[in-house]
Amino acid sequence: DAGVIQSPRHEVTEMGQEVTLRCKPISGHNSLFWYRQTMMRGLELLIYFNNNVPIDDSGMPEDRFSAKMPNASFSTLKIQPSEPRDSAVYFCASRSEQGVNQPQHFGDGTRLSIL
Amino acid sequence: DQQVKQNSPSLSVQEGRISILNCDYTNSMFDYFLWYKKYPAEGPTFLISISSIKDKNEDGRFTVFLNKSAKHLSLHIVPSQPGDSAVYFCAARNAGGTSYGKLTFGQGTILTVHP
Repeated sequence: DAGVIQSPRHEVTEMGQEVTLRCKPISGHNSLFWYRQTMMRGLELLIYFNNNVPIDDSGMPEDRFSAKMPNASFSTLKIQPSEPRDSAVYFCASRSEQGVNQPQHFGDGTRLSIL
Repeated sequence: DQQVKQNSPSLSVQEGRISILNCDYTNSMFDYFLWYKKYPAEGPTFLISISSIKDKNEDGRFTVFLNKSAKHLSLHIVPSQPGDSAVYFCAARNAGGTSYGKLTFGQGTILTVHP
C-alpha cells in the first residue's frame, strides 16, 4: 500500500522566494495534517483538514504560511515570502476516520533550507 | 506550555534487555495516547497506542502502560534489539472541543540498543 507521499524531499532556496510543499495522503483517509519539526520546538501541528476543509489552523505561524486541500488526494503548504527561520523538516500525515482511535500516518517529510 | 513531556533525551540499553521509555502529560482532556518510532530521514511510524479507558496494551515485544492518576505512560520493549535504535515520540490526542483529534507530541527520546 502506498503511504503518504511528500514532495520534494529536499528544498534549498533563497530567502524571499516562494516555497510550495506537496502532499498526497493515503487513499481513503479523511483527515490530513501538516507538521513542522525543529530542534527548538520539536514536532508541532500547523494545520489540519477534515474532508478537505481546514478545521484548525491555529498552529500556522504567520500570514506568510498558507495551506490548501483542493481535493481528497492532494494538499499544499505554501510559504511566501520564505525566511531563514522557516528552515525545518515539514511533515504531512493522514488519518482514516473509519472506526475509533485511528493513528496518523506520516510521510517522510520535506527538509527545507532557506538561505 | 509543554503538555507532553519526555524527560529523558536519550537511553542506552544492551541488546536483549528491557528498554523503558517514559512520558508525562498535564492535560486531563487527553483520551488516547500513541507511540511513534522515527528513523533518520524518515517520517514517524506508528508503533502502539492505548485508550484512556485501559491501563495496558501489548503488541509483541512492545507494551504500553498508562497511569491516569499520575498522568504518566511508558513504553516497554522486551527484548530490545539493535534495530529498535531510533527516536521514540510519545503523543496524546485531545478529546474535546475544537481541538478534538489534534495530537500533541513530546520532544522524543533517542534509544540506542548496543549489540
